[in-house]
Amino acid sequence: QLQLQESGPGLVKPSETLSLTCTVSGDSISSSSSYWGWIRQPPGQGLEWVGRIYYIGTTYYNPSLKTRVTISVDTSKNQFSLKLTSVTAADTAVYYCARRRGIRGVIWYLDTWGQGKLVTVSS
Amino acid sequence: DIVLTQSPLSLPVTPGEPASISCRSSQSLLHNNGYNYLDWYLQKPGHSPQVLIYLGSHRASGVPDRFSGSGSGADFTLNISRVEAEDVGVYYCMQSVETSYTFGQGTKLEIK
Repeated sequence: QLQLQESGPGLVKPSETLSLTCTVSGDSISSSSSYWGWIRQPPGQGLEWVGRIYYIGTTYYNPSLKTRVTISVDTSKNQFSLKLTSVTAADTAVYYCARRRGIRGVIWYLDTWGQGKLVTVSS
Repeated sequence: DIVLTQSPLSLPVTPGEPASISCRSSQSLLHNNGYNYLDWYLQKPGHSPQVLIYLGSHRASGVPDRFSGSGSGADFTLNISRVEAEDVGVYYCMQSVETSYTFGQGTKLEIK
């Protein structure tokens, strides 16, 4: 059974870099039928796409975050990671990693989510 | 970016009664392959979101058949035929027809 687990610091200082890792178990991150993504949710608010990556390194980012976001993949560790630079209090959120599953190359949906990691930006 | 507008934002429902949530898009979500790239997710209190419906009307594995999705183009609806207590939470629509995905604001369903 596929499981995703976020890890990383829960507290980041303003202007520094937020770094999170998602460890995938139960499936290979090199699967050709999966994208791996990050979604965030500020406290008490709705969901926001951050970005996603394909195992060969192809990435797509939210345009509003594009200048600050980098998503990378480590196939040897079956992990993918998020870096968000120059953070402010507005970046405080629960960060979820998720798999976007593909079927026959046209059917796509988020079928598995991690439990989420609260990251607070504060001095 | 494509903007998704959900209504209502709050939905009190008596158990056993039906419920309906609308999701309207600022652009058509119909891809040239014939699929509408609109999903519905439910976030139960204290949990991660879970998929209910994908491609507008396809129920995900394990989702009760009281949930159904309909619509095409820019106008979609999630229907619950008979609400149960376990259906409480926030419902989100999400589009993926463009490379920049977006969510609706969410609709909070509560039991009367």
